[in-house]
Amino acid sequence: TQLLEQSPQFLSIQEGENLTVYCNSSSVFSSLQWYRQEPGEGPVLLVTVVTGGEVKKLKRLTFQFGDARKDSSLHITAAQPGDTGLYLCAGIPSNDYKLSFGAGTTVTVRA
Amino acid sequence: GAGVSQSPSNKVTEKGKDVELRCDPISGHTALYWYRQSLGQGLEFLIYFQGNSAPDKSGLPSDRFSAERTGGSVSTLTIQRTQQEDSAVYLCASSLGAGLGTEAFFGQGTRLTVV
Repeated sequence: TQLLEQSPQFLSIQEGENLTVYCNSSSVFSSLQWYRQEPGEGPVLLVTVVTGGEVKKLKRLTFQFGDARKDSSLHITAAQPGDTGLYLCAGIPSNDYKLSFGAGTTVTVRA
Repeated sequence: GAGVSQSPSNKVTEKGKDVELRCDPISGHTALYWYRQSLGQGLEFLIYFQGNSAPDKSGLPSDRFSAERTGGSVSTLTIQRTQQEDSAVYLCASSLGAGLGTEAFFGQGTRLTVV
């Protein structure tokens, strides 16, 4: 059983459309992170959210941390082919000390 | 370089052979992780080193897997008597510690193929 459940597993959309990826858990996290991984590379950090209810924007990407600090979402506005990749949420549960990852969402943006 | 370095980048081995995968973390990073990633999948936690503390080995899938970290720096992941199901990309990451929101920096991984 994954500590962090991501949905959907796969997402294929047309350039210019919006998309949302979800990350859910039954555990409370002190912070949650989102990483993006491109083929042949290791994951790279996009953002860290630390406060329940926090919303962070990174250009066309909007990240939200749930009020109870058990879930997060990533919303991409007007997606571009360069947004294609594997999006991973990660976090350290309040009762743990090591970083756990979700299974990831593979996003494909078609030109 | 300034990033996490892993070697080799690719390894093809015969079933039953032993392999060693190496990770050079970022200098000064006390935390080091090994993850395994199968094709198109997320990251499966294997082992975690933090400073001089005993490693968290709870993710190692069998006793054929072991890892060590010498001098708090370089780490080696060893897989003995490799099996075809061991084929995957093995990723190493390091971070400054286990504190709130600490960023994990990843190497490019070692792609292991067992034939």
